[in-house]
Amino acid sequence: DGGITQSPKYLFRKEGQNVTLSCEQNLNHDAMYWYRQDPGQGLRLIYYSQIVNDFQKGDIAEGYSVSREKKESFPLTVTSAQKNPTAFYLCASTNLPRGGEETQYFGPGTRLLVL
Amino acid sequence: AQSVTQPDIHITVSEGASLELRCNYSYGATPYLFWYVQSPGQGLQLLLKYFSGDTLVQGIKGFEAEFKRSQSSFNLRKPSVHWSDAAEYFCAVGAGDYKLSFGAGTTVTVRA
Repeated sequence: DGGITQSPKYLFRKEGQNVTLSCEQNLNHDAMYWYRQDPGQGLRLIYYSQIVNDFQKGDIAEGYSVSREKKESFPLTVTSAQKNPTAFYLCASTNLPRGGEETQYFGPGTRLLVL
Repeated sequence: AQSVTQPDIHITVSEGASLELRCNYSYGATPYLFWYVQSPGQGLQLLLKYFSGDTLVQGIKGFEAEFKRSQSSFNLRKPSVHWSDAAEYFCAVGAGDYKLSFGAGTTVTVRA
């Protein structure tokens, strides 16, 4: 089955620790995205990538880092600089058709909790 | 930049009753519009989308939405709600730059 997988489902971070969230897609999509979801705030864009070895900051990139070494993978690292990391993190992907009529599809999410 | 407002934070509806969720957007040109649904602890599932053409869009699970340019709205409707429709619903707008802006979401509770 084609789709987007995220792991782990739950992740616990100790203070001062960096943690990495995994996102993999086998849809052959060009673009991948990371969103943060907090109650009552909808989804906010952290980083996105439209091509391998290239990525752009979204609206709330501070305290996060990403890499895009392979088309199907877009891991997100939550660094110790992110002071309030507790949230639900969603990965999405899409093709990049001309005209921008793209549709983003989402993974199941990772819930990050701080110990 | 585009933005989305979902005026209703929480809606309670009886099973079998109709449902309408409001979405207003701000964007200068014709936007791309989406509705997604999220069950607790899950990812987002696409319900329907509007790019162009017929302003009444049919989606999955019996949902439909109507694009009204004059009102900058894209409201979601379902004629008869089932208990399984209890979830959080998100409206999103795209400007053709391969990024989406999401509303804050509307939580739907279905009572028996």
